[in-house]
Amino acid sequence: VQLQESGPGLVKPSQTLSLTCTVSGDSLSSGDYSWTWIRQRPGKGLEWIGYIYYSGTTYYNPSLKSRVTISIETSGNQFSLKLTSVTAADTAVYYCTRSQRGYSGYSDYWGLGTQVTVSS
Amino acid sequence: QSVLTQPPSVSGAPGQRVTISCTGSSSNIGAYYDVHWYQQLPGKAPKLLVYGNNNRPSGVPDRFSGSKSGTSGSLAITGLQAEDEADYYCQSYDTRLSVLVFGGGTKLTVL
Repeated sequence: VQLQESGPGLVKPSQTLSLTCTVSGDSLSSGDYSWTWIRQRPGKGLEWIGYIYYSGTTYYNPSLKSRVTISIETSGNQFSLKLTSVTAADTAVYYCTRSQRGYSGYSDYWGLGTQVTVSS
Repeated sequence: QSVLTQPPSVSGAPGQRVTISCTGSSSNIGAYYDVHWYQQLPGKAPKLLVYGNNNRPSGVPDRFSGSKSGTSGSLAITGLQAEDEADYYCQSYDTRLSVLVFGGGTKLTVL
């Protein structure tokens, strides 16, 4: 199983951050897992953003919920992240992962991560 | 400040044993949610090390082991090797905050 993040590395303040995760070696439609976004701010720890099931059900971090949308792109075995109204505090490495279903689902496969910088 | 508390750093000499604690509360680890552990080598993505408190994915050496008791989890590393030098993170779920939570991370230095 491999995951690969893609998207702009530079986003202007107040704009929308959009990332895509392409999955190979597994099918999102299998329904066996949740598909997750996690970020890591510079020099900081890991922060869970949210995840989605193939059914379309989503769970978001309450601290980001008003700005986050995670969706499934079925045609290309991809899922995506949109984060609106970004600020410098959203500068981070963003990871997509495959996670086990359930509240405390662990991530068993990770993408390499993609650096996103918010700056004018 | 993280919901799960880890020591910022630990160290040990090659061959020694170290443990990393992950202290939570009655709304996360103490509420029977599992603890998982990740290893993050410098400049790399995290890698799953232990899941479900004490299970190792295929390919993870048995030098790494996890445990859970009450409101805390723990990761033990025996026979320390230079390649173990990395950041280690614990993860669980907090039912009060309704969020998947990580510890702040522990930097392991092999002396």
